[in-house]
Amino acid sequence: NAGVMQNPRHLVRRRGQEARLRCSPMKGHSHVYWYRQLPEEGLKFMVYLQKENIIDESGMPKERFSAEFPKEGPSILRIQQVVRGDSAAYFCASSPMAQPIGGYTFGSGTRLTVV
Amino acid sequence: AQKITQTQPGMFVQEKEAVTLDCTYDTSDPSYGLFWYKQPSSGEMIFLIYQGSYDQQNATEGRYSLNFQKARKSANLVISASQLGDSAMYFCAMREVNTGNQFYFGTGTSLTVIP
Repeated sequence: NAGVMQNPRHLVRRRGQEARLRCSPMKGHSHVYWYRQLPEEGLKFMVYLQKENIIDESGMPKERFSAEFPKEGPSILRIQQVVRGDSAAYFCASSPMAQPIGGYTFGSGTRLTVV
Repeated sequence: AQKITQTQPGMFVQEKEAVTLDCTYDTSDPSYGLFWYKQPSSGEMIFLIYQGSYDQQNATEGRYSLNFQKARKSANLVISASQLGDSAMYFCAMREVNTGNQFYFGTGTSLTVIP
């Protein structure tokens, strides 16, 4: 009964490159959430997706960031033309329904370092 | 206004003693959930305990209990019989049921258990 799987665990990119972060939700979960944790801070909401739909992207930066959750395969958070300020831990969470009582299950995160 | 406030950046506790980590919250939604997560140095987010706004009794999970004072809008985490493995960052979080797409996290408290 695998939990939320995120890969890679660590990702190093040079400024200007693209970063692709993957998240496979728990089996049976069709709702995915992405959060970002900047150094010394708590997690900040970025985007909420259901299969093939973006439900809420109010926390996503307006440029360079995009997310998808295709019918088949993992959810992808894509950051184009990365800058040093994108260095952070990116967490994915999943749930079986839109508003689960008790909360979500988080993955172990992807630590992005931009050099 | 901050949705979640954790005023203790760092705390120390002697092994086997109890410790209370403070959390206050701000919401106008009558239905909400409060959560505590543990983040060890390895970085993953581990769910500890949940309290619903309509729950009459304080939540308990093993050595963890949540001191829920609704009128004061506080949801303090109590860890009894501290162990060395409890050393970690602890985050308080809230989800508002009626706008339930995201968690709001505090900035965390770093707990160090002293042998």
